[in-house]
Amino acid sequence: SAVISQKPSRDICQRGTSLTIQCQVDSQVTMMFWYRQQPGQSLTLIATANQGSEATYESGFVIDKFPISRPNLTFSTLTVSNMSPEDSSIYLCSVGARDQPQHFGDGTRLSIL
Amino acid sequence: RKEVEQDPGPFNVPEGATVAFNCTYSNSASQSFFWYRQDCRKEPKLLMSVYSSGNEDGRFTAQLNRASQYISLLIRDSKLSDSATYLCVVNMWYGGSQGNLIFGKGTKLSVKP
Repeated sequence: SAVISQKPSRDICQRGTSLTIQCQVDSQVTMMFWYRQQPGQSLTLIATANQGSEATYESGFVIDKFPISRPNLTFSTLTVSNMSPEDSSIYLCSVGARDQPQHFGDGTRLSIL
Repeated sequence: RKEVEQDPGPFNVPEGATVAFNCTYSNSASQSFFWYRQDCRKEPKLLMSVYSSGNEDGRFTAQLNRASQYISLLIRDSKLSDSATYLCVVNMWYGGSQGNLIFGKGTKLSVKP
């Protein structure tokens, strides 16, 4: 399976700031996904990022808060904007398909003070 | 009814024990089913897909009951290294259209010496 690297692996940020998370894949993939996992909760899909088109956001997530870039078939970024303590979470990117197993990056652990 | 529901556990078992996890899902049109394993502070990793006829991978056996909308995972001869959270994952369909993977909250397993 693809090797997926995320940066940063963790960060502590001040409220009101923004952080961009990078996801790099070692092979070309069509679909990339961004998830959030809040403490003690299941993974929740934020959006699907396809190269060459706008990201598709799930209910409860908006582009202004979570802008996503997908400049090519091996890379994507997720920005968490105007952060508040409620954004403290693990953010994960994955590759795969909607009806096939997805493989995850090692995650970005984000804490907001 | 939650889309994917699991007993959160924790299941505390001795080495060598057999343990079974259950998962129910709400969407009768679901077509794809998986079990993932998530170690503490790590990303989820695919353990196995679940097929209609049931499938086995070493000490792990997965079963699907479409009529009852129920998935199970059986672990035989538990090892200390099996200690983790096991996530039930189901692909949802909405109004005839393929949706996304939905993750259960997970069942925590702790295998003791």
